[in-house]
Amino acid sequence: EAGVAQSPRYKIIEKRQSVAFWCNPISGHATLYWYQQILGQGPKLLIQFQNNGVVDDSQLPKDRFSAERLKGVDSTLKIQPAKLEDSAVYLCASSPQGLAGGVSYNEQFFGPGTRLTVL
Amino acid sequence: AQTVTQSQPEMSVQEAETVTLSCTYDTSESNYYLFWYKQPPSRQMILVIRQEAYKQQNATENRFSVNFQKAAKSFSLKISDSQLGDTAMYFCAFMKHVANSKLTFGKGITLSVRP
Repeated sequence: EAGVAQSPRYKIIEKRQSVAFWCNPISGHATLYWYQQILGQGPKLLIQFQNNGVVDDSQLPKDRFSAERLKGVDSTLKIQPAKLEDSAVYLCASSPQGLAGGVSYNEQFFGPGTRLTVL
Repeated sequence: AQTVTQSQPEMSVQEAETVTLSCTYDTSESNYYLFWYKQPPSRQMILVIRQEAYKQQNATENRFSVNFQKAAKSFSLKISDSQLGDTAMYFCAFMKHVANSKLTFGKGITLSVRP
C-alpha cells in the first residue's frame, strides 16, 4: 500500500513570495490533516479535512494561508505572502473514515513532509 | 484545551541499555489516547506505541513499553535494548477519544544511541 505522498521535499523562497505544497493521502482515507512543525517544536495542526469539507481550521493564519481538497482526495496548502516565521516542515497526514457512532481510533499516517525555508 | 509537556530536550544512551523518556499532559477529558511517535532525520513520523486511557494495563510493543499513570497525568516511554536505529526525535502526543480527532504534540526529545 502506497503511503502519503508530499511534494516538494524542500523549498526555499524569499519573504513575501508565494508557495504551494501538495499532498496525496493514502487511497480511501477520508480525513486529511496539515501540520506545521517549527524547528525545536512538535507538529501543530493547521487544518483538517473530512472528505472535501473543513473540520478544523482554527489554527490556520487565514490572512496568508489557504488550503483546499478538491474532490476529497489530493490537497494543496498555499502561503501568500510568506514570512520569515513560516520557515518550518509542513507535514500531511491521513486517516480512514471514523466508524458509525463517532467513537473509534483511526491511526494517522504521515507523509515525509516539505521543509520550507523563507529568506 | 490539551497540553503535552516534554521537559527533557535531549538524552543519550549506550547501545543495548535501557532509557526512559518522560511526558506529562493536561486535559479535562476522561477518555483519550496517548501516543509516542518517532521522527528520524528522514522526517517521516512513525507511530511507536499507543495507550488508551480507559485501559489500566500499560501498552507494550516489542522493546517499547509505557508507564501510564492516569492520576498523575504521566506517560513515559521505556526503550529496552537500545539500538542505533532508535536514534531519532521522539514526540509524546494526545488525542481525544473521538473519531478522526487531531493530535496534540509535545516539543519532542532528541534521543542519541551511542555505539
